[in-house]
Amino acid sequence: SQKIEQNSEALNIQEGKTATLTCNYTNYSPAYLQWYRQDPGRGPVFLLLIRENEKEKRKERLKVTFDTTLKQSLFHITASQPADSATYLCALNRGSTLGRLYFGRGTQLTVWP
Amino acid sequence: NAGVTQTPKFQVLKTGQSMTLQCAQDMNHNSMYWYRQDPGMGLRLIYYSASEGTTDKGEVPNGYNVSRLNKREFSLRLESAAPSQTSVYFCASSELPGSNNQPQHFGDGTRLSIL
Repeated sequence: SQKIEQNSEALNIQEGKTATLTCNYTNYSPAYLQWYRQDPGRGPVFLLLIRENEKEKRKERLKVTFDTTLKQSLFHITASQPADSATYLCALNRGSTLGRLYFGRGTQLTVWP
Repeated sequence: NAGVTQTPKFQVLKTGQSMTLQCAQDMNHNSMYWYRQDPGMGLRLIYYSASEGTTDKGEVPNGYNVSRLNKREFSLRLESAAPSQTSVYFCASSELPGSNNQPQHFGDGTRLSIL
């Protein structure tokens, strides 16, 4: 079965630094991988998507990389702010036309002033 | 534009009771999904509906049933609630099945406790 691991349950960094979150997967090569943000008491919100044939994707202060050889995606937040504090989830699709996603457990990011 | 709306937001049940969780989306999406989220675990897919008129089991379907009432609405039913079904339930929707690059849009969840 597909296994998805996010590097740690919690990550604490100082404001202004770059946060780097890791998502590793096993057994299958996903067609694409997505990153979501989840705030307490709320549903996940989509941030970025990267396809298997893409190395890197950027959106404002966010950057996602995808290394199919290492079976790993990295999610970076540059110039982090306290408002970036949340849980970040990675999810992958194995190429199913039904759009099914498999989620990791998430990494809780705290950015302190 | 409400997106995905789930009702109720909170519910407490006794073991053996039944209830239906409601979900509606106003984005004209074809695909809809039900997940549960438990502490220390990722979102797990219960059931999904790739398009109106179709439903399929996900990873953890036991103890649940679903109904795709129309394109907008997708309900989740617990026929005989068990304490192991205490969880936060999320409904999500996305565009056309087969469009592999579409993100999912989530509601804010139903927090269900079963005593």
